[in-house]
Amino acid sequence: DSGVTQTPKHLITATGQRVTLRCSPRSGDLSVYWYQQSLDQGLQFLIQYYNGEERAKGNILERFSAQQFPDLHSELNLSSLELGDSALYFCASSPIAGVDTQYFGPGTRLTVL
Amino acid sequence: AQSVTQLGSHVSVSEGALVLLRCNYSSSVPPYLFWYVQYPNQGLQLLLKYTSAATLVKGINGFEAEFKKSETSFHLTKPSAHMSDAAEYFCAVSERDDKIIFGKGTRLHILP
Repeated sequence: DSGVTQTPKHLITATGQRVTLRCSPRSGDLSVYWYQQSLDQGLQFLIQYYNGEERAKGNILERFSAQQFPDLHSELNLSSLELGDSALYFCASSPIAGVDTQYFGPGTRLTVL
Repeated sequence: AQSVTQLGSHVSVSEGALVLLRCNYSSSVPPYLFWYVQYPNQGLQLLLKYTSAATLVKGINGFEAEFKKSETSFHLTKPSAHMSDAAEYFCAVSERDDKIIFGKGTRLHILP
């Protein structure tokens, strides 16, 4: 158990819908990272927040957005969903801002029908 | 821009045999390098990391990796495979910023 929690574990929705994925980092960790893992794209970095501020952006679509709240939990919002958005979405946390040891959550499996 | 290439999407070894998972990277600056393991239906777990200290890095579960700058490689090894090592392994690189790039992964199969 990494100490990072993600909810829900599974999410099934339809094209065009909007969903919110939630991540609670390990106690004391200030950084939260979001990743998408799919069969065709592999594991891709989406976005990072550090202590409430966006710090780095990867291959995140404009239909996706995220935020980190004062209690340091983070949410990833996915809108206008397409079939190709079906994937595992991982959250990871680390104590510091720069890339170092990241602790991954168990992931949320999103299925878009 | 940094990139990672993992040779072999599937590797099979016999129990007790040497495990060798290959990773080559591309980076314009001295990189940080990582190996992560993913067991079925779980998130990734850090095995080991290289951050410019010793070139031979020892990790958890008996794994180690050697950073070879001349070969731009960071291969993962374990002297004797165990059934519990069956998983997917990801090599990753970072140019010491906030982004980390993962390879496509190598699924390790252990044959009894």
